[in-house]
Amino acid sequence: KQEVTQIPAALSVPEGENLVLNCSFTDSAIYNLQWFRQDPGKGLTSLLLIQSSQREQTSGRLNASLDKSSGRSTLYIAASQPGDSATYLCAVESDNYGQNFVFGPGTRLSVLP
Amino acid sequence: DAGVTQSPTHLIKTRGQQVTLRCSPKSGHDTVSWYQQALGQGPQFIFQYYEEEERQRGNFPDRFSGHQFPNYSSELNVNALLLGDSALYLCASSLGGSYGARDYEQYFGPGTRLTVT
Repeated sequence: KQEVTQIPAALSVPEGENLVLNCSFTDSAIYNLQWFRQDPGKGLTSLLLIQSSQREQTSGRLNASLDKSSGRSTLYIAASQPGDSATYLCAVESDNYGQNFVFGPGTRLSVLP
Repeated sequence: DAGVTQSPTHLIKTRGQQVTLRCSPKSGHDTVSWYQQALGQGPQFIFQYYEEEERQRGNFPDRFSGHQFPNYSSELNVNALLLGDSALYLCASSLGGSYGARDYEQYFGPGTRLTVT
């Protein structure tokens, strides 16, 4: 059974800091990994999708890397802003478990002005 | 280009009642997945519909059922509601088919907040 964990559970940083969010998964036979952002009580906004053949993806101040062999992904946020405050979720789609995503519990980020 | 839409936004039901939630996928998408997200947790996969059939199901009881219509929209039905069914229900759409032909990215709707009293 695929399990996804995220560290830290919560993070509070001053504006302008660079930060790293971590995602780990137990079964390395994944098809892809997707990072999402969720504002309180809202749906999920896709940030980055990394297919299994890729090592990283970048969008603006966000960079996500994937290391399948070690079962890890990191989301790097550069020059954080108060508007980045949200919960960040990673989800993996596994070869062995069909086309649904297994989500981590999320990292709750607060960026202080 | 319309994204994923869900209705209603909020819903309050009593234990034992039945509820139907609705989802319209992103334009061009043919696959709909449903997730349950309890407060403070990540979403849990309920089931996925493709070509009007349930293609895969997560670890949810038979009280949870669904349907997909020819226009790819979908419904989630929950019978005999329990207090523990209170959650945010999320719908996601994607382009299905064989693995090689798929648009892998899932797009989520805003969710339906269900409260069971």
